[in-house]
Amino acid sequence: QQQVKQSPQSLIVQKGGISIINCAYENTAFDYFPWYQQFPGKGPALLIAIRPDVSEKKEGRFTISFNKSAKQFSLHIMDSQPGDSATYFCAASKMDNKFYFGSGTKLNVKP
Amino acid sequence: NAGVTQTPKFQVLKTGQSMTLQCAQDMNHNSMYWYRQDPGMGLRLIYYSASEGTTDKGEVPNGYNVSRLNKREFSLRLESAAPSQTSVYFCASSEQGVAGELFFGEGSRLTVL
Repeated sequence: QQQVKQSPQSLIVQKGGISIINCAYENTAFDYFPWYQQFPGKGPALLIAIRPDVSEKKEGRFTISFNKSAKQFSLHIMDSQPGDSATYFCAASKMDNKFYFGSGTKLNVKP
Repeated sequence: NAGVTQTPKFQVLKTGQSMTLQCAQDMNHNSMYWYRQDPGMGLRLIYYSASEGTTDKGEVPNGYNVSRLNKREFSLRLESAAPSQTSVYFCASSEQGVAGELFFGEGSRLTVL
């Protein structure tokens, strides 16, 4: 079974809107939660990451919100732009450095 | 600086044929990974190597073998390809430790007929 569950599968947002992607996990041993961005024909690239000792991390227009008790975390993209159109993956890893990925969200930002 | 390089980028095989996907990284990373990406399934870990000389199974290892040839290179072998192995394969590397960023190659698209 998937260790990290991600939703929605696809998302359409108007330019300037807020994109929200959600992930949930079960294994409390996970201690690192990154988000990866993937453009067509390319490999995923790290966008932003958080550790469970903080509830929020912001980098520019991208924010991770983390709820340790609910075992959920989410990516918020503020002021979404057409250039943000990509597939986004959440992931989780433990001290053994094995990474488990969600199923991905294809984001389409309409001009 | 090339990062993670995978070859080949595209390959078509017939059922039962064998092939090896090659991966090399020039970032002096200890850890290397092979993932497969399928629609609606995300990225699933096939095999992982924490350091030269060690390998470990991931979520979907059946039908695959790996070799960590040296610190730079990590290859993935399909001994007898099956249509279920049609996928995009990604190699990745990371510096072992707390930071944990994965650096990915651009992928190898494999079709098994």
